[in-house]
Amino acid sequence: GNSVTQMEGPVTLSEEAFLTINCTYTATGYPSLFWYVQYPGEGLQLLLKATKADDKGSNKGFEATYRKETTSFHLEKGSVQVSDSAVYFCALSSPGGSTLGRLYFGRGTQLTVWP
Amino acid sequence: DVKVTQSSRYLVKRTGEKVFLECVQDMDHENMFWYRQDPGLGLRLIYFSYDVKMKEKGDIPEGYSVSREKKERFSLILESASTNQTSMYLCASSTGEFQPQHFGDGTRLSIL
Repeated sequence: GNSVTQMEGPVTLSEEAFLTINCTYTATGYPSLFWYVQYPGEGLQLLLKATKADDKGSNKGFEATYRKETTSFHLEKGSVQVSDSAVYFCALSSPGGSTLGRLYFGRGTQLTVWP
Repeated sequence: DVKVTQSSRYLVKRTGEKVFLECVQDMDHENMFWYRQDPGLGLRLIYFSYDVKMKEKGDIPEGYSVSREKKERFSLILESASTNQTSMYLCASSTGEFQPQHFGDGTRLSIL
């Protein structure tokens, strides 16, 4: 089956600290992988994506590399800001069949950054 | 930019009422989705649709139904609202397989 496991939060960091949020997946076939971000009171926004092995998605200083050998897609940022405080979701899109277009989400990781 | 609009940000209803949550997207997307989001449980898929008048059950369809009469509109219906359906409801749309989903801002529904 298809599933996503991401590290449990909450994660609390000081401004300018390094961020890693771990994400591993199980999938049939070769999925596309996504990170979404949800700011307080809002819906989810796409942060970055990768569609094949060894692809690196990046946006707003965040990066994640699609690692097929370890079935992972860890989110990283070199220097976080207070404005990065949000909930982060890892997700995958499974190929084919009746699940066409469906995304499978992890449970989300709450990040709080202190000044 | 894709715009997914949910009709209400906040809604308060009573137990037993029939509740309609509306979602409209403006980018001619084929696929539309309804999720509920609860603390500690992440997003759970209720129903989705990949064409007009087509619908597929997600992981937690019990107590819900959906309607897609037009491509741009996807409605979630709570047939007889119960307190355990108090939640944040998120609508999303996408162009298809392997594509990202675009989300609305959510409806926070309280059932009293």
